[in-house]
Amino acid sequence: AQSVTQLDSQVPVFEEAPVELRCNYSSSVSVYLFWYVQYPNQGLQLLLKYLSGSTLVKGINGFEAEFNKSQTSFHLRKPSVHISDTAEYFCAVIHTGGFKTIFGAGTRLFVKA
Amino acid sequence: DTAVSQTPKYLVTQMGNDKSIKCEQNLGHDTMYWYKQDSKKFLKIMFSYNNKELIINETVPNRFSPKSPDKAHLNLHINSLELGDSAVYFCASSQTLAANYGYTFGSGTRLTVV
Repeated sequence: AQSVTQLDSQVPVFEEAPVELRCNYSSSVSVYLFWYVQYPNQGLQLLLKYLSGSTLVKGINGFEAEFNKSQTSFHLRKPSVHISDTAEYFCAVIHTGGFKTIFGAGTRLFVKA
Repeated sequence: DTAVSQTPKYLVTQMGNDKSIKCEQNLGHDTMYWYKQDSKKFLKIMFSYNNKELIINETVPNRFSPKSPDKAHLNLHINSLELGDSAVYFCASSQTLAANYGYTFGSGTRLTVV
């Protein structure tokens, strides 16, 4: 069975600083990986996904993530954050051919002025 | 036009009552889901339907009963509500059962049982 670990429950960062939100997964088979963002009182919105091919994937709002198979990681990065990036971020995994997406516990990104 | 819409957005009710949450998607997706998000933001899948067929039925009390009249709708009925049912319930859809394009989520229904 697959699992997802988001290594930080909260990440405070100053505006315009870079940020990395860490995600590790475990699975005995190949997987698809996703990052979602949840703004306060809203549903989750897909930021980006890795299916295959290039290990660096770019998403919306200037975010990108890198798939590292040997480290079983899929860390999310942004070179310069804005106040509006304050939200909860979820890493998720589904194994190829599977039916159930497993979500991490979430990382709260708090951007300070 | 909202892609995945849930109603109601807020639901406050007393213990022991029965309530329903409705979900509709206009994306033409084959698969729909119910997720429960607790107060710590943890997301747990409850059910999934693919073209009206039940695919995933997690360990959920049988007081929860999903119904999918067609592939664009997935409703959730909850009997004999308990305090522990208080949470935000999200409906989601995906193009196919494989979900390799990810999910589209509704905006959630915040259920408070008093």
